[in-house]
Amino acid sequence: NAGVTQTPKFRILKIGQSMTLQCTQDMNHNYMYWYRQDPGMGLKLIYYSVGAGITDKGEVPNGYNVSRSTTEDFPLRLELAAPSQTSVYFCASSYETGWETQYFGPGTRLLVL
Amino acid sequence: TQLLEQSPQFLSIQEGENLTVYCNSSSVFSSLQWYRQEPGEGPVLLVTVVTGGEVKKLKRLTFQFGDARKDSSLHITAAQPGDTGLYLCAGHLNRDDKIIFGKGTRLHILP
Repeated sequence: NAGVTQTPKFRILKIGQSMTLQCTQDMNHNYMYWYRQDPGMGLKLIYYSVGAGITDKGEVPNGYNVSRSTTEDFPLRLELAAPSQTSVYFCASSYETGWETQYFGPGTRLLVL
Repeated sequence: TQLLEQSPQFLSIQEGENLTVYCNSSSVFSSLQWYRQEPGEGPVLLVTVVTGGEVKKLKRLTFQFGDARKDSSLHITAAQPGDTGLYLCAGHLNRDDKIIFGKGTRLHILP
């Protein structure tokens, strides 16, 4: 199993541009999550999904959108990139929530100039 | 307001020394997890504690969940350079709630 994979690894965007961060898991997990990690700030939850077709906002959803058309994929969309969205983005998955282990992808480093 | 406070923020010690890092809250958690994150990678789960007073050992790492389930500690014995990384604690307030992360303790072990 590849686990959780994310693409791209690194991207530079200009202000106002759009992009989609891809996330795929091959563990048949129900739950998937998107986090952003800023220096010294820990992980902040952006959006999460409890299954295909169901998504919900996390702590910092503004400026982002998600969809979950399949169990495996959970893309994160940035419509109008802003410098405040410069961060490292992590996708994670778990079979259930609560005490279950979250498996993280390697991250996408995004720089908005 | 940060629900989970981790201390210290940074710690740099010599190989072979012992250390303890802390994760504190004023809230009661149903479970708490510790993750380690190495540069350029995502966090990896080390342990989950669910019972107040619980102690779990993972080789040279000892994890303790406070009796009141408001705090936790991670003790490393005879630290090695391979222990270097960002240690994150994360907790669930309720069984079905989303996980909440602390800001982490960045640990550097000098050879």
